[in-house]
Amino acid sequence: GAGVSQSPSNKVTEKGKDVELRCDPISGHTALYWYRQRLGQGLEFLIYFQGNSAPDKSGLPSDRFSAERTGESVSTLTIQRTQQEDSAVYLCATAFRGSSPLHFGNGTRLTVT
Amino acid sequence: DQQVKQNSPSLSVQEGRISILNCDYTNSMFDYFLWYKKYPAEGPTFLISISSIKDKNEDGRFTVFLNKSAKHLSLHIVPSQPGDSAVYFCAVWDNYGQNFVFGPGTRLSVLP
Repeated sequence: GAGVSQSPSNKVTEKGKDVELRCDPISGHTALYWYRQRLGQGLEFLIYFQGNSAPDKSGLPSDRFSAERTGESVSTLTIQRTQQEDSAVYLCATAFRGSSPLHFGNGTRLTVT
Repeated sequence: DQQVKQNSPSLSVQEGRISILNCDYTNSMFDYFLWYKKYPAEGPTFLISISSIKDKNEDGRFTVFLNKSAKHLSLHIVPSQPGDSAVYFCAVWDNYGQNFVFGPGTRLSVLP
């Protein structure tokens, strides 16, 4: 399809395990964002890529979180040693450029047991 | 401290009437504002935007109003339809942080 694709759509993991979330952007979109939405809360900014460069990583909640992007394509968000408070929907969004309206994927629902 | 506030967690409106969703922001340097709609189990979808050089932008049934002096924007939906039932997020572009800052959302229910 032509939209932002995220996988997996759902992930249940045990506390302490590592997880990797994937985002396939819309072709030609240079800007890519990761957000997190905890239950009953708004969207929390995590990290932003312009191309494969991440100018600002200050939104990542802890050093257990890391993200990479290959060129202007796939991005992965990795959470090491997951904790129960990491349970949330992780949303990826891309845009033609930094301030253009975002196109969101359907998210990955992460549950840490 | 929230930079973008949506003080009404929920709103119910009768079909055919006007829905008004409100948003307040704290930083007078913000200059680009957007509204997104989110259905359950889907990502947010872009609805309408406005830049600070305008005070109104209209797209079909959706109109966004910006009051810069009050640091307030609102989304009007008229007439409201049951399919408009969703969570609506206000967002601002933070040029310094190079990211979009979202409000907590307002759940709109349009009753048939």
